[in-house]
Amino acid sequence: QQQVKQSPQSLIVQKGGISIINCAYENTAFDYFPWYQQFPGKGPALLIAIRPDVSEKKEGRFTISFNKSAKQFSLHIMDSQPGDSATYFCAASKAAGNKLTFGGGTRVLVKP
Amino acid sequence: DAGVTQSPTHLIKTRGQQVTLRCSPKSGHDTVSWYQQALGQGPQFIFQYYEEEERQRGNFPDRFSGHQFPNYSSELNVNALLLGDSALYLCASSLEWGDQETQYFGPGTRLLVL
Repeated sequence: QQQVKQSPQSLIVQKGGISIINCAYENTAFDYFPWYQQFPGKGPALLIAIRPDVSEKKEGRFTISFNKSAKQFSLHIMDSQPGDSATYFCAASKAAGNKLTFGGGTRVLVKP
Repeated sequence: DAGVTQSPTHLIKTRGQQVTLRCSPKSGHDTVSWYQQALGQGPQFIFQYYEEEERQRGNFPDRFSGHQFPNYSSELNVNALLLGDSALYLCASSLEWGDQETQYFGPGTRLLVL
């Protein structure tokens, strides 16, 4: 049972464009929603995270939008740069414990 | 500030063998979680250790076992290796109190089972 569904699987964007990745979850007990960035051969690195009491969080060029009623959240990468080319994973966990349930990942390619 | 470290970086084993992977958590962290990441997929939670005990476990068979030491470092053991165990094994550490949910990942150990 896939509790966190992520789309699209891959994305190509021009330098300076906006990358948008969407995730949907099923378990209403989830209380923490991080996004991780992973480069080939490396472990995932925490990018930005949100809790359901806010609808949006912005850190630099990265913004999370959260829709609790729809059980959906998304990552927006503004002014995309070639260095942003990586695989992005959304994840979710319950507040009481921190076992992370990951989406399937989105491979982003930023063309110069 | 040392991040999460894992050893070895790569490992090749044959079916039926046993393997031990090691993890040192980020300085100050006391909780260690292990994940399996198959090629092209998201990480899957194996188990989590806190105070030297397994606290949570994902949907993995008993062939997967672990241990946490008093210095918070951890080992992941896999017995009777199968071809399907080939994956990147990730260790993540976090702090039980404070920013509890944030997990920091190591670079992983790439295991190939032939």
